[in-house]
Order: sequence, then C-alpha cells, then structure tokens
Amino acid sequence: DAGVIQSPRHEVTEMGQEVTLRCKPISGHNSLFWYRQTMMRGLELLIYFNNNVPIDDSGMPEDRFSAKMPNASFSTLKIQPSEPRDSAVYFCASSLGAVNAQYFGPGTRLTVT
Amino acid sequence: GQQLNQSPQSMFIQEGEDVSMNCTSSSIFNTWLWYKQDPGEGPVLLIALYKAGELTSNGRLTAQFGITRKDSFLNISASIPSDVGIYFCAGRYNNNDMRFGAGTRLTVKP
Repeated sequence: DAGVIQSPRHEVTEMGQEVTLRCKPISGHNSLFWYRQTMMRGLELLIYFNNNVPIDDSGMPEDRFSAKMPNASFSTLKIQPSEPRDSAVYFCASSLGAVNAQYFGPGTRLTVT
Repeated sequence: GQQLNQSPQSMFIQEGEDVSMNCTSSSIFNTWLWYKQDPGEGPVLLIALYKAGELTSNGRLTAQFGITRKDSFLNISASIPSDVGIYFCAGRYNNNDMRFGAGTRLTVKP
C-alpha cells in the first residue's frame, strides 16, 4: 500500500516567494497533520485536520502560513511570503482517528534564500 | 504543557550489543509511540503503546508504557548496523496534543 505522499521532496526558493507544499494521506485515514522539523526545535506540530476540518492550528507560526484540506485525499501547506527562517523539513502525517498512531511522509526539505 | 525528556541524546555501541533508551514526562500521557528516522526520510513508526504497563515487541525491539503513564522505554537487542538512525519517542495526552522527544542518535560500529 502507498504511504503518505508529499511533494515536492525539495524546494529552493527566494525570500518573498510563495511556497506550496502538498500531501496525500494514506487512503482511509481521516486525520492529517503538518509538522516542521529543525535542528533547533525538533519536530513541531503546525496544524491538524480531522475529517478535512482544521481542528488545531495553534502551532502555525504566523499569518504567513496557511493550510487547507479540500478533500480527504489532499492537503496543502502554503507559506506566503517565505522567509529564510522558514527553512526546514516539513512533514505530513496521517492516522485513522486522531488518537491512533501517525504515519509520516518522506518530507519536503524547504530552503529559502 | 507537557514536557518530554528523551535520553540519552546519543549512543555509540558495538554491533551485537543491546540498547536502551527512555522518555520521561512531567505529566501523564495516554499514548506512547516510538519512531525511527533515517537521514532524508520521515519518521517511521516502530511501536505504539496505548495502555499503562503495556509491553510490546516488534522483532528485536521491545517498548513499555510505564505504569505511572509518565515514562516509556525502548530496548533494541543484538544491534545490527542498519539500526543506525535517530529514535524519537512521542507522547499524546489528548486528541490534539502529541509531543516528540529530542531524539536519540544511535551509532552502531561493526
């Protein structure tokens, strides 16, 4: 079975540009999570969805970040405008129910110059 | 909020040795999870624990959910070179709050 799919795997962009990260959760999973991983702060939960509805976005750093889940098989995380401090690896994870184990995608390594 | 302390930060062991790492929390958790992350990849779930006192094995890996619900350990027996990576514990208190430890970086010398 396909796991969580993320695209692109790598993104290099200039400061001020818009960045869109994409995620396809495991089929049948109804909870989706966006994380950011840096050396300094480790893994941080940004936002999570249950049945396509955003439940908790308290981890979203600021208004430059937004996330959507238009249907059960697709989610996006958008950064606009991007800044160098946004450079990190962004992971998407999904689970069957918010309380069950989460399965991670391979991540998108974002570099903002 | 709940703080999660994972130790040790790093381990250098010889192939064939057993490994033990643990996580402790200042508050109780309802779920403990252990993940392994290889360079350039996402964390891969190793073991999930849902009940206090639960002891679960997955091949050479064994993990336990502490009775106090404030700690968990992961043991790896007879380590092999492919065990190299970063191991993360994660604890969930309620539906929307999962915390990760800082990770244990494991190096296995052949």
